[in-house]
Amino acid sequence: GEDVEQSLFLSVREGDSSVINCTYTDSSSTYLYWYKQEPGAGLQLLTYIFSNMDMKQDQRLTVLLNKKDKHLSLRIADTQTGDSAIYFCAVWPNAGNNRKLIWGLGTSLAVNP
Amino acid sequence: DAGITQSPRHKVTETGTPVTLRCHQTENHRYMYWYRQDPGHGLRLIHYSYGVKDTDKGEVSDGYSVSRSKTEDFLLTLESATSSQTSVYFCAISSPLAAQEQFFGPGTRLTVL
Repeated sequence: GEDVEQSLFLSVREGDSSVINCTYTDSSSTYLYWYKQEPGAGLQLLTYIFSNMDMKQDQRLTVLLNKKDKHLSLRIADTQTGDSAIYFCAVWPNAGNNRKLIWGLGTSLAVNP
Repeated sequence: DAGITQSPRHKVTETGTPVTLRCHQTENHRYMYWYRQDPGHGLRLIHYSYGVKDTDKGEVSDGYSVSRSKTEDFLLTLESATSSQTSVYFCAISSPLAAQEQFFGPGTRLTVL
């Protein structure tokens, strides 16, 4: 079945860039998402990219999509301690009536002062 | 923030007792989801609803039932709680008009002793 994989942990220094990677198996994925979960809270949509795009930039966030390799990445520029959280990659396998997302296990980002 | 509330926010119960968790939305979104989040397992879909009285199973539906009699409310019931159902439960909603973005509630922490 469809699968989404991401590394479980990432540690960076404050001010550096963070890159969180995700691979997926379903080539028909229409939308691909990055969600952020802060401690004790629900998930919050950070950004998403449509499958016909290669890159999307939103302030400090850059999403890169390599459809050939089925690889999605999230780059956070000038990482701050407030960026410490769990980041989930998710994909929508196909359009139409299937409204279930496929989720990665989440990458825990630790930002060290 | 999307108008999603979950109740109760915390619950401790004993094995074998029935438990009902409530998700309430004020966005009039058609799709609603129940997830559980456990360490090492990420988010797993329990059940989802695509309209009033229209529900379907997710990947971990055994031991859970749902009901949706109104657009705004989606109830998750554990008929006879077990310790393996100790988890954090999240409700989410999405609109067919959006890019399948899911908006999450704050979560319910359930402990089954």
